[in-house]
Amino acid sequence: KAGVTQTPRYLIKTRGQQVTLSCSPISGHRSVSWYQQTPGQGLQFLFEYFSETQRNKGNFPGRFSGRQFSNSRSEMNVSTLELGDSALYLCASSLLPGLAGETQYFGPGTRLLVL
Amino acid sequence: GDSVTQMEGPVTLSEEAFLTINCTYTATGYPSLFWYVQYPGEGLQLLLKATKADDKGSNKGFEATYRKETTSFHLEKGSVQVSDSAVYFCALGVHRDAGNMLTFGGGTRLMVKP
Repeated sequence: KAGVTQTPRYLIKTRGQQVTLSCSPISGHRSVSWYQQTPGQGLQFLFEYFSETQRNKGNFPGRFSGRQFSNSRSEMNVSTLELGDSALYLCASSLLPGLAGETQYFGPGTRLLVL
Repeated sequence: GDSVTQMEGPVTLSEEAFLTINCTYTATGYPSLFWYVQYPGEGLQLLLKATKADDKGSNKGFEATYRKETTSFHLEKGSVQVSDSAVYFCALGVHRDAGNMLTFGGGTRLMVKP
């Protein structure tokens, strides 16, 4: 069974631009979550999607947004990029959201560098 | 709010040494607890998990016991290998109607020398 895939793996953008990252969950998984990993702040939850609906959102500005498609694939978008947005963005999928002990399986991440 | 505290690294050990990485948590509700491992240049891999008090998770020689009385989930391995060098993250997940969100500790880098 294929794991979580994320594209692109690496991305370089300049301040003020916008970026879209893509995530394909494990086949059959319907919940997708996004996390940001930085050396300073560690791993922080961005948002979670299930059945094309955002169920949960972390403490990030409105420049960060996402969506989920009917095939469970998800995209996240960051507009008006800032230097501080440089990070590894991780996508995770699980069968269903909100179940006790539900395991989230992570993709390899997209490393974004903002210059 | 929910939080996870893990011992700061790096932890440097010789091959075959005993490993302990401490993890304590604060949570409302009844969390599930996880250990994830991240190898250089990769995403997170689930190492083990426990869903209720006194459960022991184990995998690849690693173990952790869910201790509700001490709100801890310490990771242990009896004999580490060079290939265990990685960053280890303790995390909690609380079942809520609002969804499924993991709260992570800061990570502990383990370096194993031959």
